[in-house]
Amino acid sequence: AQKVTQAQTEISVVEKEDVTLDCVYETRDTTYYLFWYKQPPSGELVFLIRRNSFDEQNEISGRYSWNFQKSTSSFNFTITASQVVDSAVYFCALSEAGSGGYQKVTFGTGTKLQVIP
Amino acid sequence: DSGVTQTPKHLITATGQRVTLRCSPRSGDLSVYWYQQSLDQGLQFLIQYYNGEERAKGNILERFSAQQFPDLHSELNLSSLELGDSALYFCASSVGDRVGTGELFFGEGSRLTVL
Repeated sequence: AQKVTQAQTEISVVEKEDVTLDCVYETRDTTYYLFWYKQPPSGELVFLIRRNSFDEQNEISGRYSWNFQKSTSSFNFTITASQVVDSAVYFCALSEAGSGGYQKVTFGTGTKLQVIP
Repeated sequence: DSGVTQTPKHLITATGQRVTLRCSPRSGDLSVYWYQQSLDQGLQFLIQYYNGEERAKGNILERFSAQQFPDLHSELNLSSLELGDSALYFCASSVGDRVGTGELFFGEGSRLTVL
């Protein structure tokens, strides 16, 4: 069964600090996808990134960067120079082929990030 | 704005009652997914429909049911409500039936409070 672990329940940083959110996953599939979603205080879930299991290249998007390491089954998310608007709950998620080829998404329990001005 | 519309945004009801949550997917998306977010369980996958057919089932209780209509909107029916059903219910949509080929677009959720 697939599993996603986000060991950090809550993190507080001071504005402009860098912060890394950890994500460790478990899967038996060789083909799978990893995601990060952001849930701001308003409640909606906002897609940030999708990465497939065959692409271990790190990705950078502005102040956001992701480090995917299959050897350690981790997909960590770093925010550089954090801002107050980054305050949210961040979810890591995993999808693998379910029965019949349809894929289910399993979410981690989320990490609540608070950026203090 | 993700393009996924959920109604109602807030709903307060009593134990034993039945409610219906509605979801309109993004234009062009054929898959609809329902998720439940509660404080103690996190985000739990309930069920997926693709073009009117049930495609995947997660931790959905027998008291809950869903369907997707020909116009692709979906409804989640929750009956014999219990206090523990209080949660934020999300609908998400995607183009295809395989999540990994594209991201899920989530609605703003329907917050259900059972008193």
